[in-house]
Amino acid sequence: QKEVEQDPGPLSVPEGAIVSLNCTYSNSAFQYFMWYRQYSRKGPELLMYTYSSGNKEDGRFTAQVDKSSKYISLFIRDSQPSDSATYLCAMINSGGSNYKLTFGKGTLLTVNP
Amino acid sequence: GAGVSQSPSNKVTEKGKDVELRCDPISGHTALYWYRQRLGQGLEFLIYFQGNSAPDKSGLPSDRFSAERTGESVSTLTIQRTQQEDSAVYLCASSFQGASGNTIYFGEGSWLTVV
Repeated sequence: QKEVEQDPGPLSVPEGAIVSLNCTYSNSAFQYFMWYRQYSRKGPELLMYTYSSGNKEDGRFTAQVDKSSKYISLFIRDSQPSDSATYLCAMINSGGSNYKLTFGKGTLLTVNP
Repeated sequence: GAGVSQSPSNKVTEKGKDVELRCDPISGHTALYWYRQRLGQGLEFLIYFQGNSAPDKSGLPSDRFSAERTGESVSTLTIQRTQQEDSAVYLCASSFQGASGNTIYFGEGSWLTVV
């Protein structure tokens, strides 16, 4: 079992839809959780950064972490065509390798006008 | 510079040739990472530098891969005797100190094609 599992999609939604992206993980030492957005042929760009369990909201984006279920989510409200990209979840543990991001495979999202 | 800079942005090389990929991190960032991303795959950790030292090089796939960092700044990833399976985008990232509690910024990547 991979440490971080993410459905690769692709996911296609109409403009204005609410998008839900998810990752599960197996390593209970993960404490820091991130979502990156990656446009085609570009480097990943940090969207959201959360520590431990709970919710964090930034504009149209909400990140949720449920450590008891080892499950994280990213919600995008009022999705726009410019949100079309690959979304990568990433995690860092609190132990000896607390410098290393472990990534999911990414979910390809297309928002249709 | 304003962000993490990588060069070349694209490289096509013949199988068996050596390639060097360069990364200029954000000024003042002591931590530097190399990741590899194959088509349709997630990011695969290669190596981590803290200053000029590499305390974790566990992700380097074989002894054909090596990396160094000098002046707590520029890093070079070298792939010797390239193989077709080395075709991927090689991403460099940097952060202030370690990753925990600090934002990690990525460059645009070096897109390597081995023919």
